[in-house]
Amino acid sequence: EAQVTQNPRYLITVTGKKLTVTCSQNMNHEYMSWYRQDPGLGLRQIYYSMNVEVTDKGDVPEGYKVSRKEKRNFPLILESPSPNQTSLYFCASSRTSGTPPFEQYFGPGTRLTVT
Amino acid sequence: DAKTTQPNSMESNEEEPVHLPCNHSTISGTDYIHWYRQLPSQGPEYVIHGLTSNVNNRMASLAIAEDRKSSTLILHRATLRDAAVYYCILRGTGGFKTIFGAGTRLFVKA
Repeated sequence: EAQVTQNPRYLITVTGKKLTVTCSQNMNHEYMSWYRQDPGLGLRQIYYSMNVEVTDKGDVPEGYKVSRKEKRNFPLILESPSPNQTSLYFCASSRTSGTPPFEQYFGPGTRLTVT
Repeated sequence: DAKTTQPNSMESNEEEPVHLPCNHSTISGTDYIHWYRQLPSQGPEYVIHGLTSNVNNRMASLAIAEDRKSSTLILHRATLRDAAVYYCILRGTGGFKTIFGAGTRLFVKA
């Protein structure tokens, strides 16, 4: 089954304790992206990657890191989490070549709470 | 980066048509118009897309203005399961920085 998986689905942590949220897709998609969703603000893009070793900032990259060493994985790293990073996080992937529309496939989300 | 503007919320009666508008006045010639919806407690899912012509699929129809500066997602007969947040975004072939915005929350009354 074609899917985007995220782990963990729920995480409660404390300020300053480094954490990684993993994202993996099995569709051989070139593009992957991370979004955060907060009440009233919709989805905001954190980082995206057009392919292996190619990443770029979205609208809200501060406090986050990403890496794309393999095509299927795109982990989101919070080196020193703060309470304002409490949010619902979504990973997504899509093709970037061939015939459009290049629709994005989203993971189930990771709810992160930083105390 | 091209942005879209949508109403915060809309309400519909069950089994009636729903027209969800989206303005995208800064759209470029290569931008596709995508619509996604997000059901409660789920990630967004793709609904439909278009470039210039109106489009139909099993989920919805998409009507695109002649100047492409606006579009309308049409749900022909709203059901309670269509209650969700609907997002209109632009996606080009040259770049993939994506701006979703807050979307339109659709309420469907029985």
